[in-house]
Amino acid sequence: NAGVTQTPKFRILKIGQSMTLQCTQDMNHNYMYWYRQDPGMGLKLIYYSVGAGITDKGEVPNGYNVSRSTTEDFPLRLELAAPSQTSVYFCASRWGRGSSTDTQYFGPGTRLTVL
Amino acid sequence: AQSVSQHNHHVILSEAASLELGCNYSYGGTVNLFWYVQYPGQHLQLLLKYFSGDPLVKGIKGFEAEFIKSKFSFNLRKPSVQWSDTAEYFCAVISSGGGADGLTFGKGTHLIIQP
Repeated sequence: NAGVTQTPKFRILKIGQSMTLQCTQDMNHNYMYWYRQDPGMGLKLIYYSVGAGITDKGEVPNGYNVSRSTTEDFPLRLELAAPSQTSVYFCASRWGRGSSTDTQYFGPGTRLTVL
Repeated sequence: AQSVSQHNHHVILSEAASLELGCNYSYGGTVNLFWYVQYPGQHLQLLLKYFSGDPLVKGIKGFEAEFIKSKFSFNLRKPSVQWSDTAEYFCAVISSGGGADGLTFGKGTHLIIQP
């Protein structure tokens, strides 16, 4: 198993540009998550999904959109990039299905800089 | 809403010293607790987790943590640290109600081990 994979690893955007961060997991997990990590601030939840076709907002959803058309993929879209979105983005997944004891597995992250 | 507080943002120790990283959480119900580690340039990995039973849990690489319900604490310990333990450590909590909630993270503790 590759686990959770993310592309790209690094990206520099200009203000107002758009991009999609890709996330794929091969563990047949039901639940998937997007977090952002800012220096000294820990990780904050952006969006999550409990299965294909079902998504919901987390703590900091503004400026982002997600979709979940398959169990494996959970892309995160930035429509109009702003400097405040400079961060490291982590995708994660877990089995879910009524259990909160299962481990969340994290991808390697995407480091995004908006100039 | 849940919150997690990690007491020390930066800790510097010498090899073979003992380690204790503090973590307190705030939540009205029952929770599951996690410690994740992020080595330089790598993604988050699970160190250990607590969800029920013995409040002293053992994880990988010689780490352990003790859940003290009355103090809402889940401190991480290691009797003798190594240079390779240099990393960022995150305490995280999730409601044990079985929902799809993401993890709530503390701000992290940056641990540096000097040889």
